[in-house]
Amino acid sequence: DSGVTQTPKHLITATGQRVTLRCSPRSGDLSVYWYQQSLDQGLQFLIQYYNGEERAKGNILERFSAQQFPDLHSELNLSSLELGDSALYFCASSLLGTSGNYGYTFGSGTRLTVV
Amino acid sequence: ELKVEQNPLFLSMQEGKNYTIYCNYSTTSDRLYWYRQDPGKSLESLFVLLSNGAVKQEGRLMASLDTKARLSTLHITAAVHDLSATYFCAVDPRDTGNQFYFGTGTSLTVIP
Repeated sequence: DSGVTQTPKHLITATGQRVTLRCSPRSGDLSVYWYQQSLDQGLQFLIQYYNGEERAKGNILERFSAQQFPDLHSELNLSSLELGDSALYFCASSLLGTSGNYGYTFGSGTRLTVV
Repeated sequence: ELKVEQNPLFLSMQEGKNYTIYCNYSTTSDRLYWYRQDPGKSLESLFVLLSNGAVKQEGRLMASLDTKARLSTLHITAAVHDLSATYFCAVDPRDTGNQFYFGTGTSLTVIP
């Protein structure tokens, strides 16, 4: 157990729907990162939050949004889902706003299947 | 556009053999990370390389970093079946707000 908790582990939903993925960072970590892993795009950085504030944005679609709450857990909201959004979504956390000397700690991921 | 390229993409090797996975990147960076991923699982941190010439070893794996050549290698010595997994390198460029750029991954299969 890495200490980063993601729920749910699996999610199956229909096109056009909206889902919320949840991540609790490792105890003491202030930064949360979201990544999408798909067969055709590989591992893509989506967004980073540090202590409740958005810190960096990557290849995140406008249909996707995220936030980090005062207790530091984060949610990734995916709306108007398309078949191509099917992927493994990882959350990672780090102590500070940078990768530091230890890199990230990844959660076990949420596998999203859009049908 | 920043690129992180790994080769080979697929590697099938016999137990007991040695091999090297290469990670080339296109930007200035002093930080290079190696991760392992088993099928359907999360990414497990293997090595953190933080300076030019850094070398780290853990068991049968050894990673090195040459920032001038923008190259990192992951060397496998006397491979065993348990090393079968996908290996990713990741770069943390200085000016991108701290997100990692991952390589394409190398899928390693060790055959008995």
